[in-house]
Amino acid sequence: QVQLQQSGPGLVKPSQTLSLTCDISGDSVSSTSAAWNWIRQSPSRGLEWLGRTYYRSKWYNDYAVSVKSRITISPHTSKNQFSLQLNSVTPEDTALYYCTRDLGGDFDCWGQGTLVTVSS
Amino acid sequence: QSVLTQPPSVSGAPGQTVTISCTGSSSNIGAAYDVHWYQQLPGTAPKLLIHGNNIRPSGVPNRFSGSKSGTSASLAITGLQAEDEADYYCQSYDSSLNGDVVFGGGTKLTVL
Repeated sequence: QVQLQQSGPGLVKPSQTLSLTCDISGDSVSSTSAAWNWIRQSPSRGLEWLGRTYYRSKWYNDYAVSVKSRITISPHTSKNQFSLQLNSVTPEDTALYYCTRDLGGDFDCWGQGTLVTVSS
Repeated sequence: QSVLTQPPSVSGAPGQTVTISCTGSSSNIGAAYDVHWYQQLPGTAPKLLIHGNNIRPSGVPNRFSGSKSGTSASLAITGLQAEDEADYYCQSYDSSLNGDVVFGGGTKLTVL
């Protein structure tokens, strides 16, 4: 049974960096059949995919066009986790953030969600 | 504005059948990308309901079914039950967005 447990601050100041971590149990961040994603949800933007990291002999990242210049998703193999960093945040980045697993195009496992508010 | 278009709301009485549409274009659903469906109960994370257009994961009742044709997909729920009241989302990929994941705007199902 795969479980994803998210952690990180719920309040970030404008222009600063949003950082979240997702701990994986029941699978490995280095799995060659999974990809590890971040998705956010807000009333104004709905569900929005942000990006993924995955291992296929080497590490790869894909990022959404909308956030590509500001985002970094990193694997942390020693802790079996992956993280999200979103730079230069604005109030428009206020959302519920989810980490998810993707085995082949769909998201079969989701973290519990972290509400992140961007406000001074 | 979402890349995939869903009706904002649908409703039905217990026992009835409802269908939720998901309309895309030639760069996503019409480009042969699979469509997946999620159910989101209030205050919880989305849950995978249908993957690969019409495949139910283990544990999902067979009252839920998916289909895809051309640039559209549909989710059908038969024998509607009170616990089916939730938000439903479709998801695919889009070649015009560098292969990015795209979601529908979501449909609120109300069981009357």
